Amino acid sequence: SQQGEEDPQALSIQEGENATMNCSYKTSINNLQWYRQNSGRGLVHLILIRSNEREKHSGRLRVTLDTSKKSSSLLITASRAADTASYFCATDAGDYKLSFGAGTTVTVRA
Amino acid sequence: DTGVSQDPRHKITKRGQNVTFRCDPISEHNRLYWYRQTLGQGPEFLTYFQNEAQLEKSRLLSDRFSAERPKGSFSTLEIQRTEQGDSAMYLCASSYPPVGQETQYFGPGTRLLVL
Repeated sequence: SQQGEEDPQALSIQEGENATMNCSYKTSINNLQWYRQNSGRGLVHLILIRSNEREKHSGRLRVTLDTSKKSSSLLITASRAADTASYFCATDAGDYKLSFGAGTTVTVRA
Repeated sequence: DTGVSQDPRHKITKRGQNVTFRCDPISEHNRLYWYRQTLGQGPEFLTYFQNEAQLEKSRLLSDRFSAERPKGSFSTLEIQRTEQGDSAMYLCASSYPPVGQETQYFGPGTRLLVL
């Protein structure tokens, strides 16, 4: 079973706009990770945020974590066509197994 | 460091046949994980190894599935008597987890189609 749920399921934006997607989960976590997957390919790790952190930045990515609400958000600023992909959140409850959501499909229009 | 590699990248087989996939983790990564991903879904955990020891297996891993990591380096995942429901992407990941380095690095996956 999958712990995380991403919202929205799909997102279409214009190049240069920001994209925000959310992830909710059900049980306590050690950390939460965001991954990107281009069509039919493997997963690329984007960012890891620990349960005692509230916000983290990496380049054009900003991740927030609210453990009281069991939710996280991923913001991609100034989107590019190359950002077109599926984005997954994955939770680690401390047992090293990642539990993924079904993902958000992002399409960036030129 | 060439990243996690998987072989083959694609496999088409007939129902009832056995298939075996290989995963080579990033060198010095002592943890290795297998996940399965069906169309439109996120990956689901199957099993993981620390060195050569298989430490956990998901309920998804029926007795037709077996995974090995004989020398603590590469791993194989075998599916016996394949069924159409086994069609999926099989992903391998590795990590080197002192605290602070829990990131799992994924390979490109093996896409299996069972006819």
